[in-house]
Amino acid sequence: SAVISQKPSRDICQRGTSLTIQCQVDSQVTMMFWYRQQPGQSLTLIATANQGSEATYESGFVIDKFPISRPNLTFSTLTVSNMSPEDSSIYLCSVEDWGQGAGGYTFGSGTRLTVV
Amino acid sequence: AQSVTQLGSHVSVSEGALVLLRCNYSSSVPPYLFWYVQYPNQGLQLLLKYTTGATLVKGINGFEAEFKKSETSFHLTKPSAHMSDAAEYFCAVSDRLYNQGGKLIFGQGTELSVKP
Repeated sequence: SAVISQKPSRDICQRGTSLTIQCQVDSQVTMMFWYRQQPGQSLTLIATANQGSEATYESGFVIDKFPISRPNLTFSTLTVSNMSPEDSSIYLCSVEDWGQGAGGYTFGSGTRLTVV
Repeated sequence: AQSVTQLGSHVSVSEGALVLLRCNYSSSVPPYLFWYVQYPNQGLQLLLKYTTGATLVKGINGFEAEFKKSETSFHLTKPSAHMSDAAEYFCAVSDRLYNQGGKLIFGQGTELSVKP
């Protein structure tokens, strides 16, 4: 099954700054997904990133706040811009993985972001 | 667009009792359905999934779920709860259609407590 390397694993950032999160997959995938998990909450899909096209954002999320890059079929970044304490969450990337023994979706280990 | 509703944000059972976590979904295409478990400060772990075929799906740790199309449900059960089952459980639905990719949408989660 696919393996995702996500970094950083955690960070503490000052309000008003930006953080870029990277996800590297060990195989080529068409779509990559970015999620947010606020403290004590479920996972909320931020956007779907396709290589060669603009990301598709879910309701409540905008490109200016969460710009996404998808330069090739194995890599994507999510930037959390102009951060406020409300952005403190775990951010995860995910890919579909229907290979032998795979569970359908594979997740990165997450980036635990604290904004102070 | 697909959606998931988990009935009950908190469920408490006694050790040895039946575990029943409820999940109802909405999907415009035949759904792919998933149950994940998350232990405190840990990542998601796939319990089981339904894609096609047999509607009763068996997963890890003694859990199983039954896909009922007429009821748009995918409830998770375990005959006998164990203390180690205490965790957060998430139901999720994908709008994946045949071999075209689809995004995974999560329910709000159900926290399972197990009393000695």
